[in-house]
Amino acid sequence: SQQGEEDPQALSIQEGENATMNCSYKTSINNLQWYRQNSGRGLVHLILIRSNEREKHSGRLRVTLDTSKKSSSLLITASRAADTASYFCATDATGGGGADGLTFGKGTHLIIQP
Amino acid sequence: GAVVSQHPSRVICKSGTSVKIECRSLDFQATTMFWYRQFPKQSLMLMATSNEGSKATYEQGVEKDKFLINHASLTLSTLTVTSAHPEDSSFYICSARTGVYSNQPQHFGDGTRLSIL
Repeated sequence: SQQGEEDPQALSIQEGENATMNCSYKTSINNLQWYRQNSGRGLVHLILIRSNEREKHSGRLRVTLDTSKKSSSLLITASRAADTASYFCATDATGGGGADGLTFGKGTHLIIQP
Repeated sequence: GAVVSQHPSRVICKSGTSVKIECRSLDFQATTMFWYRQFPKQSLMLMATSNEGSKATYEQGVEKDKFLINHASLTLSTLTVTSAHPEDSSFYICSARTGVYSNQPQHFGDGTRLSIL
């Protein structure tokens, strides 16, 4: 099965700076999603980008998708201390009948220093 | 909207005990629910897909007799870890999706931390 890979694994920046996280995957996908997980909690859905989309915005979030390179990036602008969390990309493979669960990347642990 | 409740949030029990975890969609009907497992500082690994009224589909390497899944209604799926052992200690997370197709996001519960002594 495919496995997403995020980089960097950990990122520490100052509050107010922008944070960029990258994700790569291996097989063809229907869509790619980004989730956030606070320590010891469940995941919160941030944004979904379809395979025929190249860029999507939601508030301070900007996601890009390059299917030719099988990669995506998540940009968080004007970071806040509350953005401290782990961020995961997740994909679903084509040909799975739509009923398959998601394949998650290893995640980027983001720390925003006040 | 789209709230998923998972209970209990934490379980500590002796080896050999069976543990049941509930996953409920509170304000929507979930045709499909998923169960994931997460080890410390690692990613989520899909264990099984649960469809209402039918048998769960397990991922390769996941023992169906060890991890019993029941999805009896459109708002409730349960995962029972039978005869749990220390190696089953992990963070278990469920998610629910309103439809069958993957172009809809999954909504996650807050997870259950299972510790087997």
